[in-house]
Amino acid sequence: DAKTTQPTSMDCAEGRAANLPCNHSTISGNEYVYWYRQIHSQGPQYIIHGLKNNETNEMASLIITEDRKSSTLILPHATLRDTAVYYCIVRVEYNFNKFYFGSGTKLNVKP
Amino acid sequence: DTAVSQTPKYLVTQMGNDKSIKCEQNLGHDTMYWYKQDSKKFLKIMFSYNNKELIINETVPNRFSPKSPDKAHLNLHINSLELGDSAVYFCASSQDTSGRGYNEQFFGPGTRLTVL
Repeated sequence: DAKTTQPTSMDCAEGRAANLPCNHSTISGNEYVYWYRQIHSQGPQYIIHGLKNNETNEMASLIITEDRKSSTLILPHATLRDTAVYYCIVRVEYNFNKFYFGSGTKLNVKP
Repeated sequence: DTAVSQTPKYLVTQMGNDKSIKCEQNLGHDTMYWYKQDSKKFLKIMFSYNNKELIINETVPNRFSPKSPDKAHLNLHINSLELGDSAVYFCASSQDTSGRGYNEQFFGPGTRLTVL
């Protein structure tokens, strides 16, 4: 089962940064943190992943604390199309791609 | 071009029937998956196939049988459908075959199964 804790929902104003927290206090040294999102009625979409260092791509930034017990996904300029459920997943390495999705955070981007 | 496609998109059927959902990926990936998303929106992995071989089977009733004729296809056959099988089923694929490192899964659009 998922080993992450996320807030149930968050609101964000359009054009502002959305910061989505995730707690993974039991993460082990070889486990990656992945973020996916699911826009209503669609299949989940990969956003970003990281192990220790902060990561940035064209969609978002991932900030992982030094002790790796928590992370934050940052959408720098949220748009209405970013309204979705965001899943933080700790991937169990060496387990052939087992992904355990938790309940996620419903991000509501408002105009 | 659709990367991961599923058919049908909607499936309404009676209890006790047998049905199949088809999945195809044109990404050249070696690993494919089936997930179930229930009414509470929890997304749970059911099966994973790597190069036509089963590598994950998560306590799924044996009424569910995945079939992989080739590495681009992973179909899901369900026997004796029950009310509790009503859900959205997602197919996915990924390139990573070793279970290590980077693993981006590409999901299909989902199949909404309703059992009456």
